[in-house]
Amino acid sequence: NAGVTQTPKFQVLKTGQSMTLQCAQDMNHNSMYWYRQDPGMGLRLIYYSASEGTTDKGEVPNGYNVSRLNKREFSLRLESAAPSQTSVYFCASSESLTSGAGGEQFFGPGTRLTVL
Amino acid sequence: AQTVTQSQPEMSVQEAETVTLSCTYDTSESDYYLFWYKQPPSRQMILVIRQEAYKQQNATENRFSVNFQKAAKSFSLKISDSQLGDAAMYFCAYRTNFGNEKLTFGTGTRLTIIP
Repeated sequence: NAGVTQTPKFQVLKTGQSMTLQCAQDMNHNSMYWYRQDPGMGLRLIYYSASEGTTDKGEVPNGYNVSRLNKREFSLRLESAAPSQTSVYFCASSESLTSGAGGEQFFGPGTRLTVL
Repeated sequence: AQTVTQSQPEMSVQEAETVTLSCTYDTSESDYYLFWYKQPPSRQMILVIRQEAYKQQNATENRFSVNFQKAAKSFSLKISDSQLGDAAMYFCAYRTNFGNEKLTFGTGTRLTIIP
């Protein structure tokens, strides 16, 4: 049981390049999330998916797209990377609120992205 | 929109002593969850403790306990018998029990343990 996995762990891009961050969970969770963490700002939600086939914008969605490929996988794409997207990216998953579970989100190990 | 405030960017405590980290939040809702997450240098986010707003009893997990004051919208974390492994960033987070399921995080408190 690996929990939430993310690839890659580190990435360096040049301005204008594109890339996709991959996330998968093996806990059969319905809800998945992408956050970014910047110094002094905590974690901020980029996009989330309440169930397979649905996605919604979070607090800072500009410059990103997401795909909920199936129940297990939720990818984050940067179409044209900018230096302002230099950050640590976390994927998370949780049971739906309606399941009666405790609301905990389980996090992946993060991806450190640098855009030059 | 909900906001979470951690007013202590850094704290330090002697090993084996007790330390309290502060968190306040703003919401108009009555049913929600509050969490403390720990982020050690490995970067992994680890749940420390959770509190459901409709439960009056303060949550406790071994050496970690909270002081939940719903009317004051305060949710502090007390770490007893501090250990070197407790050194980390600690984030307070809020989650509504309706609609949008996202976590709203505070800016974190960096805790240093002095041997």
